[in-house]
Amino acid sequence: DIQMTQSPSSLSASVGDRVTITCRASQSISNYLNWYQQKPGKAPKVLIYGASSLQSGVPSRFSGSGSGTDFTLTISSLQPEDFATYYCQQSYRSPRSFGGGTKVEIK
Amino acid sequence: QVQLVQSGAEVKKPGAPVKVSCKASGYTFTSYYMHWVRQAPGQGLEWMGVINPSGGTTSYVQNFQGRITMASDTSTSTVYMELSSLRSEDTAVYYCARETSGHTRELDYWGQGTLVTVSS
Repeated sequence: DIQMTQSPSSLSASVGDRVTITCRASQSISNYLNWYQQKPGKAPKVLIYGASSLQSGVPSRFSGSGSGTDFTLTISSLQPEDFATYYCQQSYRSPRSFGGGTKVEIK
Repeated sequence: QVQLVQSGAEVKKPGAPVKVSCKASGYTFTSYYMHWVRQAPGQGLEWMGVINPSGGTTSYVQNFQGRITMASDTSTSTVYMELSSLRSEDTAVYYCARETSGHTRELDYWGQGTLVTVSS
């Protein structure tokens, strides 16, 4: 099975900050990497698919990069509505494992 | 518009089964795989398995083998997830999520979640 490791597990940041979250796969997954945002009490929502494609309706301050085993989600200028938990997930093969999550909190 | 509407919250005793439904609308039901993901209180997301509503083929994560069954009913555009022999660790919110038709296979629509509480 493919293990997904996210870091950090949490971070504190201020509005306007640039935020970077990393996700590492235990083996190469090409670009089959997706990023989700989850707010408390809500279902996750896809932000980035295929490692770097922005889901329709998602603000352009979100971007993704990487291929193979190492991936990054970047928020270029953190907004109040971006405080949430972010998960990566590999869609290369089953089981479609998720990373442990990164909670973005207000500094 | 695409909607996935799940059944309501459940309280079950240890050892009992639970069956959660997910009714799809707004798209061709048989053209998209459906996944189940769960989230224990305060924890991360755990992928459970996937069903192809057209034909009913399934793939489950090893942890649930023997306890989980996914099924689909094309007449009502509904998928079901049944988990048997419940234990306290199965207390979680269970989500259904549709897999996109594209090759990147992300989960593009999610149900609202169903809280399953296992307690004696």
